[in-house]
Amino acid sequence: DVKVTQSSRYLVKRTGEKVFLECVQDMDHENMFWYRQDPGLGLRLIYFSYDVKMKEKGDIPEGYSVSREKKERFSLILESASTNQTSMYLCASSLERATAFFGQGTRLTVV
Amino acid sequence: AQKVTQAQTEISVVEKEDVTLDCVYETRDTTYYLFWYKQPPSGELVFLIRRNSFDEQNEISGRYSWNFQKSTSSFNFTITASQVVDSAVYFCALSERRTSGSRLTFGEGTQLTVNP
Repeated sequence: DVKVTQSSRYLVKRTGEKVFLECVQDMDHENMFWYRQDPGLGLRLIYFSYDVKMKEKGDIPEGYSVSREKKERFSLILESASTNQTSMYLCASSLERATAFFGQGTRLTVV
Repeated sequence: AQKVTQAQTEISVVEKEDVTLDCVYETRDTTYYLFWYKQPPSGELVFLIRRNSFDEQNEISGRYSWNFQKSTSSFNFTITASQVVDSAVYFCALSERRTSGSRLTFGEGTQLTVNP
């Protein structure tokens, strides 16, 4: 079974904090993705990575950065958390053009 | 640029009714993939189907069926004889090849509620 694991299910952080969301997959997938999900807006792509150390901006990269030092791990970084970054964050991985598998999601609240 | 539109934000039906969820996409690629995912109240996205752009055959899996029409850039999903357990948010998605990697874009989702 493909497994995509996000480090936290729920997270509460303070405004201005640096926040790390971690995602690990165990299927040797090239592609990894970070989305945020907000009511009425669906899943919006923040960043994706198609190889180690390679990344591309998605639709809403502002305020975020990513890191992919190893193939199995893709980290999303909120440089200075703000309340408008309160959301559900979803990580996914896939082979090239294949089905993406998702983690369980991290519900982040910034207070 | 690729785009996926799910115009139906919410649909409410009574159990045993048939229901169709619409998906319209935009892409410049000639080779692309389309997907449907289900997100039950638990939150985790569950893969339902993947279809490539060269295969326009409709597919049926139990009570689920999918109608892919390239001419109208649509990939609609029908649930026959709906059940309460079908209540979920359903997402349509498009995977398009770029010069670097494959970007996966989702629609806004359709919240389906099946009432007993």
